[in-house]
Formats: sequence, structure tokens, C-alpha cells
Amino acid sequence: DQQVKQNSPSLSVQEGRISILNCDYTNSMFDYFLWYKKYPAEGPTFLISISSIKDKNEDGRFTVFLNKSAKHLSLHIVPSQPGDSAVYFCAASENTGNQFYFGTGTSLTVIP
Amino acid sequence: DVKVTQSSRYLVKRTGEKVFLECVQDMDHENMFWYRQDPGLGLRLIYFSYDVKMKEKGDIPEGYSVSREKKERFSLILESASTNQTSMYLCATLPGNRRQETQYFGPGTRLLVL
Repeated sequence: DQQVKQNSPSLSVQEGRISILNCDYTNSMFDYFLWYKKYPAEGPTFLISISSIKDKNEDGRFTVFLNKSAKHLSLHIVPSQPGDSAVYFCAASENTGNQFYFGTGTSLTVIP
Repeated sequence: DVKVTQSSRYLVKRTGEKVFLECVQDMDHENMFWYRQDPGLGLRLIYFSYDVKMKEKGDIPEGYSVSREKKERFSLILESASTNQTSMYLCATLPGNRRQETQYFGPGTRLLVL
């Protein structure tokens, strides 16, 4: 059973606008959440993370929001750039384990 | 800078062949992982290893085995390749002190089984 879900397989956004990617999880024991970016024919690369003790983490154009009560996190990219076009995966892990659980990915296209 | 390398970027094999995928890391990380990525299914964990000669099954271990004889090398073995094992295979590493850490991925191996 998928413990981390990304319900939008794809998203298109105009350059300069905000991109919002969403992720839901079911396991209340998850305490660390990450976003990865993946270009075709390359491995995923780490983008940004958030600990469950926070509700927001910001790094330049990228902000991750965590709503623990709703078991929901989102990634905001502002402003979106064509180079942001990629597949984005959210992932989660528990304090007690070293396994990461990945969502199914959202393919973002930023239109120039 | 962490470097994770995979032995092949593209591989074509025939049904029934034994296939070896190798992953090598240079950062002395204790944990290593093998995933497969398929459209609509995301990254699914096949096996992982938290130490030399140690291995744990992931979510989809059937049809696969692994070997970790040295800390820097983690091999994925398809004993008898089948067409449903056509996929992108990704290796990842994670430091032993894993708190608030990220996994580091290799470039992936795209395997086609005919």
C-alpha cells in the first residue's frame, strides 16, 4: 500500500508563475520529508527537506510546507523557470528506520 | 562531493539471462539501496544493505538478489531476467548516521529485457 502519494501525475505552469506540487502521506510515524528532482536519464537529486518539528522550510525559490494534522506537504517554486521542468518526487522516512518511502512523482513543465 | 556510479547506463538482455548491475560509491556510506523506477509507480525499493554482507528485502524483492562483499560496492542480480524487469534501476547511498540526511543517487541503468 502506497504510504506516500502524489495525486497529480503532471503539472504545467507559465514561466515566472508559482508551481505548487502536493504530496500526501498516511504513516503518522514519518518525521522527515524530502523533495527530489529528476531529469530524464539521470538519478534523482536532493532539492529540499523538512523535519516534522517545522511547518516550513525555505531555500531560495523553493519552499516546502508541512501540515502534520492533514498529513500533507507541498513544494512551492517561485518564480518557476524552464529549467525547473523535471519530475519531482516527495519522500518520507521514520526516525527509527533507514528506509525512504517515495511518491509516484509529478512531472512539471514550465512553459517559456 | 558524493559520487555514486553504476556500471552501465543502458543494458539490453534476453529473457532468461543472468544480469548483474553494479553500484560503487566513494563516500564511505554504510547504507546502500536498489530501486526501480517505472512510470506511474515512482521509486520502489528492491533491496537495501546497512553494512557489509548485510541485506534487507524492500517492497519488491521477488526475482532479485543482492551482494555486498565490500562497503563501497552493492550489486543487484537478476537470476533469470524476465520482460517485466525492464525498467530504470537506481542505486542510492545514505550515511550511517542517517538523521536528517538525504540519499544520494547514481545516474541509473536503463535495462531492456527482450
